[in-house]
Amino acid sequence: AQKITQTQPGMFVQEKEAVTLDCTYDTSDPSYGLFWYKQPSSGEMIFLIYQGSYDQQNATEGRYSLNFQKARKSANLVISASQLGDSAMYFCAMREWSDKLIFGTGTRLQVFP
Amino acid sequence: NAGVTQTPKFRVLKTGQSMTLLCAQDMNHEYMYWYRQDPGMGLRLIHYSVGEGTTAKGEVPDGYNVSRLKKQNFLLGLESAAPSQTSVYFCASRRQGDTGELFFGEGSRLTVL
Repeated sequence: AQKITQTQPGMFVQEKEAVTLDCTYDTSDPSYGLFWYKQPSSGEMIFLIYQGSYDQQNATEGRYSLNFQKARKSANLVISASQLGDSAMYFCAMREWSDKLIFGTGTRLQVFP
Repeated sequence: NAGVTQTPKFRVLKTGQSMTLLCAQDMNHEYMYWYRQDPGMGLRLIHYSVGEGTTAKGEVPDGYNVSRLKKQNFLLGLESAAPSQTSVYFCASRRQGDTGELFFGEGSRLTVL
């Protein structure tokens, strides 16, 4: 059974600093995809970044990058130069060959001035 | 550009009542998903569909049924609502392909008294 673990219920970061949100996963499938989503207090789910299991390079999208360590089964999200608007819940998710897409329990990030 | 639309947005039910949540997408996506979101639990997959006429169980399927009679619609049914089904329900869809991220609806808040 696939499983996603986010061990940080909450994180604080000062504006303009970088922050890493942890995500580990468990799968025996050689082909899988990893996603990060942001959920602001307004409730909508916003796609941030994707990493495929066969991708050789870490994914990047603007200030977001995914630190993919396949052997350790980790897919941490790095947000550079944090902004007040980054305060939100962040969810890691994984898709296996079965096309199930499973989410972790999330990390609440708070950015302070 | 409607994207993914969920109806209704809010509903209050009494224990034992039945109801159906409708999810409609206009992006011609193959895959559709129903999740529930509860505090501290993240998003949990209820059922999903990989194409018209197909459905599959997710992590927490008990007490729910689904149907995908048309490609653009994915219905979630509660035959006999229970207080434990009080939650925010999200529908999502995605295209075929490894990098297809989920597009989410705005959520439906269901309260069962």
